[in-house]
Amino acid sequence: ETGVTQTPRHLVMGMTNKKSLKCEQHLGHNAMYWYKQSAKKPLELMFVYNFKEQTENNSVPSRFSPECPNSSHLFLHLHTLQPEDSALYLCASSQDWKETQYFGPGTRLLVL
Amino acid sequence: QQQVKQSPQSLIVQKGGISIINCAYENTAFDYFPWYQQFPGKGPALLIAIRPDVSEKKEGRFTISFNKSAKQFSLHIMDSQPGDSATYFCAASEKSGYALNFGKGTSLLVTP
Repeated sequence: ETGVTQTPRHLVMGMTNKKSLKCEQHLGHNAMYWYKQSAKKPLELMFVYNFKEQTENNSVPSRFSPECPNSSHLFLHLHTLQPEDSALYLCASSQDWKETQYFGPGTRLLVL
Repeated sequence: QQQVKQSPQSLIVQKGGISIINCAYENTAFDYFPWYQQFPGKGPALLIAIRPDVSEKKEGRFTISFNKSAKQFSLHIMDSQPGDSATYFCAASEKSGYALNFGKGTSLLVTP
């Protein structure tokens, strides 16, 4: 285990639902990330938090809303998603935003 | 625009053989080049990384070769084993950037 946990591991939701993904890191790191992994595409960085402050938002649609209440927890709130949002959502953390990133196992999301 | 181009998309190698995965980039500001390994149901895990001040780095059976002038780097897996069967991602990041720019991944299958 990498010290980064994600829940749930699998999620099926309708386009009108609201759900949240949770990430927790037990490594004492200061930076946390959300990535989207789709088949046959590179991992896409969605959000970066450094010391709880959002430092990057890679033009992610507003139907994805991140929350970082402290340096150990990161949430991704989902609402009115589209089928093309179906993907593996990965959380990662690092000691500093320039250091090695450690990934969680991901949440497999299916939007119907 | 994809910042890091990775090839091949898939690779089949016999046990004991050498697996070679290549990546190319254009951004000369990149100064950190990690390789990640991902098994099914798991998040990517850092395998080995290199910076441009060296041309080669070896860790056990895994070697990164780096050609700064050609803006290419590659992963060599010597004496490939069935347990090496996984998806491998190259990545690159800038000295002052947050984002890891990932290649699309190579699915490696090592046959017994």
